[in-house]
Amino acid sequence: AQSVTQLGSHVSVSEGALVLLRCNYSSSVPPYLFWYVQYPNQGLQLLLKYTSAATLVKGINGFEAEFKKSETSFHLTKPSAHMSDAAEYFCAVRGGGGADGLTFGKGTHLIIQP
Amino acid sequence: NAGVTQTPKFQVLKTGQSMTLQCAQDMNHEYMSWYRQDPGMGLRLIHYSVGAGITDQGEVPNGYNVSRSTTEDFPLRLLSAAPSQTSVYFCASRLTGGGETQYFGPGTRLLVL
Repeated sequence: AQSVTQLGSHVSVSEGALVLLRCNYSSSVPPYLFWYVQYPNQGLQLLLKYTSAATLVKGINGFEAEFKKSETSFHLTKPSAHMSDAAEYFCAVRGGGGADGLTFGKGTHLIIQP
Repeated sequence: NAGVTQTPKFQVLKTGQSMTLQCAQDMNHEYMSWYRQDPGMGLRLIHYSVGAGITDQGEVPNGYNVSRSTTEDFPLRLLSAAPSQTSVYFCASRLTGGGETQYFGPGTRLLVL
């Protein structure tokens, strides 16, 4: 069984400030980890993923995440927030092989203050 | 490529009615799945398929049926809609392999009265 916990259902930052969205996972096997972004009334778009290569993963729109096995974490960061980053962010884990679906966290709504 | 497409975009049903949510992909992906998204719940897996003729249940399968007769299509059927099935439904597809990216459709917003 696998699970994902996203700390904070809402996170508010000022434009230009650091963005940090937290994700902790549990998995009985080495995980594959994903961050998705959802803009209002749209589907989910992949930001980045960890597939057991480099532990620091760079994604689109200036986002990156670091896989820390000892902390079972995969936090998402961006050095400088833009107004266009306002969206819902989901962390997801897949713990097995080809038949496993994604297990999602409950999401974090990112608010950017001008 | 159109990617993953879903129809309809929005639907209103009365309790007890039936309907089929359509999903198609043109990326030749073996794996397809259906999720529902509810406020504060994230996305939860309903059913999935690893190839034509093969389907299986996810986390919340009750009240939903699926079939996979072709690689491209994966419809989701509600046989007797209930208000608890009011949700946004997303179809997704990917290649097999644990690290493969899952691509999502734009979603179908369903309201059951």
